[in-house]
Amino acid sequence: QLQLQESGPGLVTPSETLSLTCTVSGGSISSSDYYWGWVRQPPGEGLEWIGTIYYSGSTYYNPSLKSRVTISVDTSKSQFSLKLSSVTAADTAVYYCARHAADGSGSYHWFDPWGQGTLVTVSS
Amino acid sequence: SSELTQDPAVSVALGQTVRITCQGDSLRSYYATWYQQKPGQAPVLVIYGENNRPSGIPDRFSGSISGNTASLTITGAQAEDEADYYCNSRDSSTNHLVFGGGTKLTVL
Repeated sequence: QLQLQESGPGLVTPSETLSLTCTVSGGSISSSDYYWGWVRQPPGEGLEWIGTIYYSGSTYYNPSLKSRVTISVDTSKSQFSLKLSSVTAADTAVYYCARHAADGSGSYHWFDPWGQGTLVTVSS
Repeated sequence: SSELTQDPAVSVALGQTVRITCQGDSLRSYYATWYQQKPGQAPVLVIYGENNRPSGIPDRFSGSISGNTASLTITGAQAEDEADYYCNSRDSSTNHLVFGGGTKLTVL
């Protein structure tokens, strides 16, 4: 059974870079059938897609975050990572990693399964 | 348009049928995906594509689409269905992914 687990600091100082890693177990991160994504949720608010990476390294980012986001993959460690630079209090959120899939035509996408999420607080 | 609009809150009597909707121009081109999220938990996929349910999701959950509106229908709502529900789709102008604002479902 595929499982994902986020890890990283729970507290980040404003203007610094948020760094998280997602470790994939129970399946191959190098599968050509799937992508790997990050989604966040500010406290009491809704979900926001951050970005997605393919095992080859191709990336797709939310246009609203693109200038600050970098997602990378390390297939040897079955991990993919998120870096978000110049953070502010508005970046305080629960960050989820998830396997991202799509049908052949791209008519629909889905995230399944999800990691349990990790709360990152931006504060001095 | 990059927006998906959901009603903030919906209620249903136990055992009755409820429809949760998601509106957006992108839904004329792409299907919606639906997630259930209970307090303190990660979202769970409930419907994807035209009307596909992952293994383990009860068949009382179904999805449909008409024009620019996607719907998640729960036929015979149970107490355990009380949760937040989010729709998600591809934005037709940017080809990136967007989520609706979420609907809080209360089962009375």
